[in-house]
Amino acid sequence: KNEVEQSPQNLTAQEGEFITINCSYSVGISALHWLQQHPGGGIVSLFMLSSGKKKHGRLIATINIQEKHSSLHITASHPRDSAVYICAVRSEYGNKLVFGAGTILRVKS
Amino acid sequence: NAGVMQNPRHLVRRRGQEARLRCSPMKGHSHVYWYRQLPEEGLKFMVYLQKENIIDESGMPKERFSAEFPKEGPSILRIQQVVRGDSAAYFCASSPMTGATTEAFFGQGTRLTVV
Repeated sequence: KNEVEQSPQNLTAQEGEFITINCSYSVGISALHWLQQHPGGGIVSLFMLSSGKKKHGRLIATINIQEKHSSLHITASHPRDSAVYICAVRSEYGNKLVFGAGTILRVKS
Repeated sequence: NAGVMQNPRHLVRRRGQEARLRCSPMKGHSHVYWYRQLPEEGLKFMVYLQKENIIDESGMPKERFSAEFPKEGPSILRIQQVVRGDSAAYFCASSPMTGATTEAFFGQGTRLTVV
C-alpha cells in the first residue's frame, strides 16, 4: 500500500464546476504539499500545509491531521486548470517528499 | 531572483552513453533534492544533498547513478552507461533550509530519452 493515496485518479469536469481532489496518507508528517504539473511542464507548488486551511484565488486546501487527510478544492473551474495535481508529504522524521500518484484533471469548456 | 534552473530541458542519449543533468538552486538555497518521474508513474525521491555533502541517497539506484553538489557550481546528477529504463523526467528541487516549514521549489525538469 502506498504511503500517499490520491483520489480520483482521473477527473473530467465542465467549466464552472466545483472540484475536489482527495489525499490520504499513512505516515506521520511535518507538512503536506499540493503541486501542479502541466503536460510536459515543470512542477509548481500550490500549497504547503501543516494544519487547517489555506486559500489562494480559486484554490482552497484543507488538512485534517487526526484523520490523515487533505483535500484540494477548485472553485469555478476553468479549462486552464487542466493539469495533474499531486499530493506530497514530508515525513516528520526526514526531509524528502513522498508523492501520491497524481490526479489528472481535465476541465472542458 | 531566478527560480530553480535545470539544464538541459531535453537530453537524448544512446544506450551506454553517460548523461549529466544539472541543477542550479535558487539563490541562497543550499539544499537540493533530485526526484525521478518514470513514464506513467509518480515522482520518486532519489537523493538529498547539501553543499559538498550527500545527506540521504536512499532512493538512488545502487549502480550507475551518482550525484554531487560542489561548493561552487550546480548540482550534478550523473548516469553512467544509460539504459532504456533510465528514460524519465528528472526534477530538482531546492530549499534554503531543512525542516517542516520548508517550501518546495522545483525546476522545470530534464527529460531524458535513451535510444
